[in-house]
Amino acid sequence: SYDLTQPPSVSVSPGQTASITCSGDELGDKYVSWYQQKPGQSPVLVIYQDIKRPSGIPERFSGSKSGNTATLTISGTQAMDEADFYCQAWDSSSVVFGGGAKLTVL
Amino acid sequence: EVHLVQSGAEVKKPGESLKISCKGSGYGFMSYWIGWVRQMPGKGLEWMGIIYPGDSDTRYSPSFQGQVTFSADKSISTAYLQWSSLKASDTAMYYCARGYCTKRVCYYFDYWGQGTLVTVSS
Repeated sequence: SYDLTQPPSVSVSPGQTASITCSGDELGDKYVSWYQQKPGQSPVLVIYQDIKRPSGIPERFSGSKSGNTATLTISGTQAMDEADFYCQAWDSSSVVFGGGAKLTVL
Repeated sequence: EVHLVQSGAEVKKPGESLKISCKGSGYGFMSYWIGWVRQMPGKGLEWMGIIYPGDSDTRYSPSFQGQVTFSADKSISTAYLQWSSLKASDTAMYYCARGYCTKRVCYYFDYWGQGTLVTVSS
Protein backbone atom coordinates (compact mmCIF):
# COMPACT_ATOMS: atom_id res chain seq x y z
CA SER A 1 0.00 0.00 0.00
CA TYR A 2 1.02 3.60 -0.53
CA ASP A 3 2.38 5.62 2.39
CA LEU A 4 2.62 9.34 3.01
CA THR A 5 5.16 10.22 5.70
CA GLN A 6 4.78 13.25 7.94
CA PRO A 7 6.75 14.25 11.04
CA PRO A 8 4.68 13.45 14.14
CA SER A 9 5.20 16.91 15.58
CA VAL A 10 6.36 20.37 14.60
CA SER A 11 6.95 23.25 16.97
CA VAL A 12 7.04 26.93 16.14
CA SER A 13 7.15 30.22 18.04
CA PRO A 14 4.32 32.71 17.49
CA GLY A 15 4.99 34.92 14.50
CA GLN A 16 7.52 32.53 13.00
CA THR A 17 7.19 30.27 9.97
CA ALA A 18 6.14 26.65 10.36
CA SER A 19 6.87 24.03 7.72
CA ILE A 20 5.21 20.62 7.68
CA THR A 21 6.46 18.07 5.19
CA CYS A 22 4.80 15.11 3.51
CA SER A 23 6.80 12.62 1.49
CA GLY A 24 5.89 9.63 -0.63
CA ASP A 25 7.00 7.63 -3.64
CA GLU A 26 6.34 9.47 -6.89
CA LEU A 27 4.49 12.17 -4.95
CA GLY A 28 5.77 14.62 -7.53
CA ASP A 29 3.31 13.06 -9.99
CA LYS A 30 0.31 13.33 -7.70
CA TYR A 31 -1.80 16.21 -6.41
CA VAL A 32 -1.47 16.84 -2.68
CA SER A 33 -4.08 18.33 -0.37
CA TRP A 34 -3.71 19.47 3.22
CA TYR A 35 -6.25 19.47 6.06
CA GLN A 36 -6.21 21.20 9.44
CA GLN A 37 -8.00 19.54 12.34
CA LYS A 38 -8.35 21.30 15.66
CA PRO A 39 -9.28 19.28 18.78
CA GLY A 40 -12.91 18.22 18.74
CA GLN A 41 -13.52 19.59 15.26
CA SER A 42 -13.87 18.23 11.75
CA PRO A 43 -10.98 18.52 9.31
CA VAL A 44 -10.82 21.67 7.18
CA LEU A 45 -9.25 21.79 3.71
CA VAL A 46 -6.48 24.41 3.71
CA ILE A 47 -4.57 23.57 0.50
CA TYR A 48 -5.60 21.57 -2.56
CA GLN A 49 -3.88 20.57 -5.79
CA ASP A 50 -0.49 21.26 -4.20
CA ILE A 51 -0.65 25.05 -4.03
CA LYS A 52 -4.25 26.28 -4.20
CA ARG A 53 -5.94 27.84 -1.20
CA PRO A 54 -9.73 27.56 -0.75
CA SER A 55 -11.66 30.76 -0.20
CA GLY A 56 -11.70 31.76 3.44
CA ILE A 57 -8.33 30.22 4.24
CA PRO A 58 -5.83 32.88 5.41
CA GLU A 59 -3.02 33.81 3.05
CA ARG A 60 -0.45 32.72 5.63
CA PHE A 61 -1.17 29.12 4.58
CA SER A 62 0.68 28.04 1.46
CA GLY A 63 1.64 24.80 -0.23
CA SER A 64 4.58 23.76 -2.33
CA LYS A 65 6.20 20.64 -3.68
CA SER A 66 9.70 19.68 -4.64
CA GLY A 67 10.41 16.24 -5.98
CA ASN A 68 8.58 13.72 -3.84
CA THR A 69 8.10 16.03 -0.86
CA ALA A 70 5.19 18.40 -0.38
CA THR A 71 5.36 21.17 2.19
CA LEU A 72 2.67 23.13 4.00
CA THR A 73 4.03 26.47 5.15
CA ILE A 74 2.36 28.71 7.69
CA SER A 75 3.84 32.20 7.75
CA GLY A 76 3.44 34.38 10.80
CA THR A 77 2.04 31.45 12.77
CA GLN A 78 -0.64 32.31 15.30
CA ALA A 79 -1.74 30.50 18.44
CA MET A 80 -5.01 29.69 16.69
CA ASP A 81 -3.10 27.65 14.09
CA GLU A 82 -2.22 24.98 16.64
CA ALA A 83 -3.77 21.77 15.28
CA ASP A 84 -3.15 18.45 13.61
CA PHE A 85 -2.34 18.67 9.91
CA TYR A 86 -2.84 15.85 7.41
CA CYS A 87 -1.62 15.57 3.85
CA GLN A 88 -3.60 13.54 1.33
CA ALA A 89 -3.04 12.15 -2.16
CA TRP A 90 -4.56 9.61 -4.53
CA ASP A 91 -2.79 6.39 -5.44
CA SER A 92 -3.90 3.19 -7.14
CA SER A 93 -7.62 3.89 -6.82
CA SER A 94 -7.36 4.92 -3.18
CA VAL A 95 -7.30 8.10 -1.16
CA VAL A 96 -4.29 8.09 1.15
CA PHE A 97 -3.81 10.28 4.21
CA GLY A 98 -0.53 10.95 5.92
CA GLY A 99 -0.23 10.00 9.56
CA GLY A 100 -0.69 13.58 10.67
CA ALA A 101 1.61 16.19 12.19
CA LYS A 102 0.78 17.98 15.42
CA LEU A 103 1.68 21.65 15.19
CA THR A 104 2.47 23.23 18.53
CA VAL A 105 2.76 27.00 18.82
CA LEU A 106 4.84 27.88 21.83
CA GLU B 1 -23.81 27.56 1.45
CA VAL B 2 -22.68 23.95 1.37
CA HIS B 3 -23.55 21.87 4.42
CA LEU B 4 -23.16 18.22 5.29
CA VAL B 5 -25.13 17.27 8.39
CA GLN B 6 -24.57 13.87 9.92
CA SER B 7 -26.80 11.86 12.20
CA GLY B 8 -26.21 11.80 15.94
CA ALA B 9 -23.97 9.72 18.15
CA GLU B 10 -24.72 6.02 18.50
CA VAL B 11 -24.02 3.49 21.23
CA LYS B 12 -24.34 -0.10 20.11
CA LYS B 13 -23.46 -3.61 21.25
CA PRO B 14 -21.16 -5.95 19.35
CA GLY B 15 -23.04 -7.83 16.67
CA GLU B 16 -25.69 -5.15 16.19
CA SER B 17 -26.32 -3.41 12.90
CA LEU B 18 -26.12 0.32 12.30
CA LYS B 19 -26.79 2.84 9.56
CA ILE B 20 -25.61 6.44 9.89
CA SER B 21 -26.48 9.28 7.55
CA CYS B 22 -25.04 12.38 5.92
CA LYS B 23 -27.41 14.93 4.43
CA GLY B 24 -26.11 17.44 1.93
CA SER B 25 -27.52 20.85 1.15
CA GLY B 26 -26.55 24.01 -0.68
CA TYR B 27 -25.20 22.27 -3.78
CA GLY B 28 -26.13 19.67 -6.39
CA PHE B 29 -25.95 16.57 -4.20
CA MET B 30 -26.14 14.17 -7.15
CA SER B 31 -23.13 15.73 -8.85
CA TYR B 32 -20.43 15.32 -6.22
CA TRP B 33 -18.89 12.26 -4.67
CA ILE B 34 -19.31 11.68 -0.93
CA GLY B 35 -16.39 10.19 0.94
CA TRP B 36 -16.38 8.46 4.30
CA VAL B 37 -13.44 8.80 6.69
CA ARG B 38 -12.83 7.01 9.97
CA GLN B 39 -10.93 8.46 12.90
CA MET B 40 -10.33 6.10 15.78
CA PRO B 41 -9.82 7.65 19.24
CA GLY B 42 -6.58 9.62 19.31
CA LYS B 43 -5.61 8.47 15.82
CA GLY B 44 -5.37 9.84 12.31
CA LEU B 45 -7.71 9.95 9.33
CA GLU B 46 -8.46 6.75 7.41
CA TRP B 47 -10.23 6.76 4.06
CA MET B 48 -13.05 4.24 3.87
CA GLY B 49 -14.32 4.90 0.36
CA ILE B 50 -16.53 7.07 -1.80
CA ILE B 51 -19.96 6.99 -3.39
CA TYR B 52 -21.41 8.99 -6.27
CA PRO B 53 -25.05 9.71 -5.40
CA GLY B 54 -25.96 10.31 -9.03
CA ASP B 55 -25.64 6.62 -9.93
CA SER B 56 -24.49 5.04 -6.64
CA ASP B 57 -21.11 4.16 -8.14
CA THR B 58 -19.06 3.07 -5.13
CA ARG B 59 -15.39 2.56 -4.42
CA TYR B 60 -14.17 0.98 -1.20
CA SER B 61 -10.78 1.14 0.42
CA PRO B 62 -9.30 -2.37 0.48
CA SER B 63 -9.17 -2.03 4.27
CA PHE B 64 -12.94 -1.60 4.49
CA GLN B 65 -14.18 -3.67 1.55
CA GLY B 66 -16.71 -6.18 2.86
CA GLN B 67 -16.83 -4.53 6.29
CA VAL B 68 -19.19 -1.66 5.52
CA THR B 69 -21.72 -0.66 2.86
CA PHE B 70 -22.30 2.75 1.32
CA SER B 71 -25.59 3.84 -0.15
CA ALA B 72 -27.31 7.04 -1.16
CA ASP B 73 -30.85 8.33 -1.63
CA LYS B 74 -30.57 11.20 -4.05
CA SER B 75 -34.24 12.08 -3.60
CA ILE B 76 -33.45 13.31 -0.09
CA SER B 77 -29.78 14.25 -0.70
CA THR B 78 -28.57 11.75 1.86
CA ALA B 79 -25.69 9.29 1.91
CA TYR B 80 -25.44 6.37 4.30
CA LEU B 81 -22.77 4.22 5.90
CA GLN B 82 -23.87 0.94 7.38
CA TRP B 83 -22.58 -2.07 9.26
CA SER B 84 -24.33 -5.44 9.47
CA SER B 85 -22.45 -6.65 12.55
CA LEU B 86 -20.50 -4.15 14.61
CA LYS B 87 -17.31 -4.92 16.48
CA ALA B 88 -15.73 -3.10 19.38
CA SER B 89 -12.95 -2.07 16.99
CA ASP B 90 -15.53 -0.05 14.99
CA THR B 91 -15.61 2.48 17.82
CA ALA B 92 -14.60 5.73 16.16
CA MET B 93 -15.69 9.07 14.79
CA TYR B 94 -16.97 8.80 11.23
CA TYR B 95 -16.93 11.77 8.89
CA CYS B 96 -18.59 12.27 5.55
CA ALA B 97 -17.04 14.77 3.17
CA ARG B 98 -17.80 16.14 -0.28
CA GLY B 99 -15.24 14.86 -2.73
CA TYR B 100 -13.83 16.68 -5.72
CA CYS B 101 -13.41 13.52 -7.75
CA THR B 102 -13.81 12.00 -11.19
CA LYS B 103 -14.59 8.40 -11.98
CA ARG B 104 -10.84 7.73 -11.92
CA VAL B 105 -9.31 10.07 -9.36
CA CYS B 106 -10.37 11.70 -6.11
CA TYR B 107 -8.42 14.90 -5.61
CA TYR B 108 -9.63 16.37 -2.31
CA PHE B 109 -12.51 16.79 0.11
CA ASP B 110 -13.68 20.37 0.39
CA TYR B 111 -16.60 20.21 2.84
CA TRP B 112 -16.90 17.93 5.85
CA GLY B 113 -19.74 16.87 8.08
CA GLN B 114 -19.57 17.35 11.82
CA GLY B 115 -18.88 13.67 12.41
CA THR B 116 -20.86 10.82 13.96
CA LEU B 117 -19.37 9.15 17.03
CA VAL B 118 -20.02 5.42 17.06
CA THR B 119 -19.34 3.55 20.29
CA VAL B 120 -19.52 -0.23 20.30
CA SER B 121 -19.40 -1.78 23.74
CA SER B 122 -20.94 -4.72 25.53
